[in-house]
Formats: sequence, C-alpha cells, structure tokens
Amino acid sequence: GAGVSQSPSNKVTEKGKDVELRCDPISGHTALYWYRQSLGQGLEFLIYFQGNSAPDKSGLPSDRFSAERTGGSVSTLTIQRTQQEDSAVYLCASSLDGYEQYFGPGTRLTVT
Amino acid sequence: EDKVVQSPLSLVVHEGDTVTLNCSYEVTNFRSLLWYKQEKKAPTFLFMLTSSGIEKKSGRLSSILDKKELFSILNITATQTGDSAVYLCAALIQGAQKLVFGQGTRLTINP
Repeated sequence: GAGVSQSPSNKVTEKGKDVELRCDPISGHTALYWYRQSLGQGLEFLIYFQGNSAPDKSGLPSDRFSAERTGGSVSTLTIQRTQQEDSAVYLCASSLDGYEQYFGPGTRLTVT
Repeated sequence: EDKVVQSPLSLVVHEGDTVTLNCSYEVTNFRSLLWYKQEKKAPTFLFMLTSSGIEKKSGRLSSILDKKELFSILNITATQTGDSAVYLCAALIQGAQKLVFGQGTRLTINP
C-alpha cells in the first residue's frame, strides 16, 4: 500500500516568510509524528498527534512552530517568520499502534 | 535527559566483510529500541526490539537488545555495496510515544 507522503519535497524560502509543510500518513494510522534533521545532526522530535489531538508538543523549538491535524489524517507543520537555523529536513512518520513508526521522504527546507 | 549514543560514527569496510554497529541508551520510561536504515531522506524501518536476549533476523541483518546493560547491536554479514547508508537507532519512550535518536553510523561498503 501507499506509504507516508510529504509535500513539497524541497522548499526554498526567504528569511522572515512563513512556510507550510504537509504530511499524508499511511491510511488507517492514528498516530502521526514530526521530526527534523539538521545537517550532521540526528533526528529531533518535534510533535506527536494521536488522532487530531497533540498530547506531546514538547519538541517544538519555539512559538514560531505550530502543527495541526484534521480528520485524523493529513497534518500541516507551519513555521512562521522563518530563520536560517530552521533550515533542515522535516520528516513525518505515522504509526498504527504507536510503536513501529514509518517515515515519509521528508521536506528539505532551505531558508536564505 | 534522554540520550542515545551510537558507535562508531563512521565505518568503511570492504564488500563481504561483517560489521557490528553499536547503540547504547539512557532514557526514562524505555519501551523499545528501533533500528532504521537511511539512504537518502526517508529512514526505512529495520527492527523493533522490546525483550532482552531475543535476536531478530532479516536476511543478512540481525539485532539483539540487552536491557540490563542498556545497549543493542546491529550485525550485517557478507556486506554488499547496497548496504551503504546511515544506520539509526532510536529509543521509544513509553507513554510519550516519541523516538529519541542517536547520531547515526555512516557505513560505507567499498567493492
């Protein structure tokens, strides 16, 4: 079946602009996760959704970052007033049971 | 602070060699240890280990968890150039359901 999909695959934006990143999880997966991977760094947890609610937002690095999930499916990660340090690959994962997480191809964000 | 450490950070071997990748963890509310292979962007799932001492095997790859010593190893036998990738291990935190990742091991297999 179809895996996790993310769009866009690449995004270049100017410092100070807002960006929206989209994630379509595997059909039927109730849990959805956002991570980011900066150059040379490991994956860093951002936020977790169970259904449409986010029980754990502890990883969001600042109040410029927000995420929502609608219909228990698609999720959008929004970064307002982007900064150069926001440049990274943003990865989304989904899970059926909250244990094995399956990742999408990611969105490479470059802030110039 | 939850922490996962992998070693070595980088490894270069010849095709046909056997490699062992290490992962140690210090986390509260540990649930499971997961291994992923990352070739370009998307990490692909390899194994999830929850119980100590039970080896999981898939083809030339195998992995085991030691919950007393807080580490896991990933073995790859008869390596092939297609095994070249970054291998990530991650601890799954019970309740929070989030993964805490190590830095990864970059494995290069030379022909």
